[in-house]
Amino acid sequence: SYVLTQPPSVSVAPGQTATITCGGENIGAKSVHWYQLKPGQAPVLVVHEDSNRPSGIPERFSGSNSGNTATLTISRVEAGDEADYYCQVWDSGSYRVVFGGGTKLTVL
Amino acid sequence: QVQLQESGPGLVKPSGTLSLTCGVSGDSISSSNWWSWVRQAPGKGLEWIGEMHHRGNSNYNPSLKSRVTISVDESKNQFSLNLTSVTAADTAVYYCARTWSQNGLDVWGQGTTVIVSS
Repeated sequence: SYVLTQPPSVSVAPGQTATITCGGENIGAKSVHWYQLKPGQAPVLVVHEDSNRPSGIPERFSGSNSGNTATLTISRVEAGDEADYYCQVWDSGSYRVVFGGGTKLTVL
Repeated sequence: QVQLQESGPGLVKPSGTLSLTCGVSGDSISSSNWWSWVRQAPGKGLEWIGEMHHRGNSNYNPSLKSRVTISVDESKNQFSLNLTSVTAADTAVYYCARTWSQNGLDVWGQGTTVIVSS
């Protein structure tokens, strides 16, 4: 089955840039989506189809996808960005949604 | 604005059946979208349970497939999750979501906590 690998945690100071990776075999050939989870709140789609932002998501959130790694980049990080972030793809081989293990973003 | 809302018992006995419903507003359950269930166990990551289209097609997580049924009620504009033979490992926050372009989940419910305990 298809596996997505994320770092368990990323720490960044306010105003700096956070980079969260999502590794998978030839993930560049798939569409990658990213979600933000805060305690007690509904998950929020922050990037869809590799690099597209849904309406209402700040331009500070961006994504890229190539080779074996997809990346979520958060520029000018704010305290409110502290959350868990998950990448997700559709595995057409097994007809199922696959999530990465999640990355906890800590704003120092 | 599309909104989803989960409802159902917060406590289920071991070996029993977990049943949840997701009410949809702002979109038709009979649209071209698929409708999904996702869960998050305490201290764990997101786990996809499965999805269904109103025409009857469905896809399930292989690890849960033998115990899961997702159904759609077009008359009530809602969809449901049934998970049989539950154990403590099924204790989680359960989310319903709309499956969108390229299988991204663009709208989510707030989630409902289900505890499996006697």
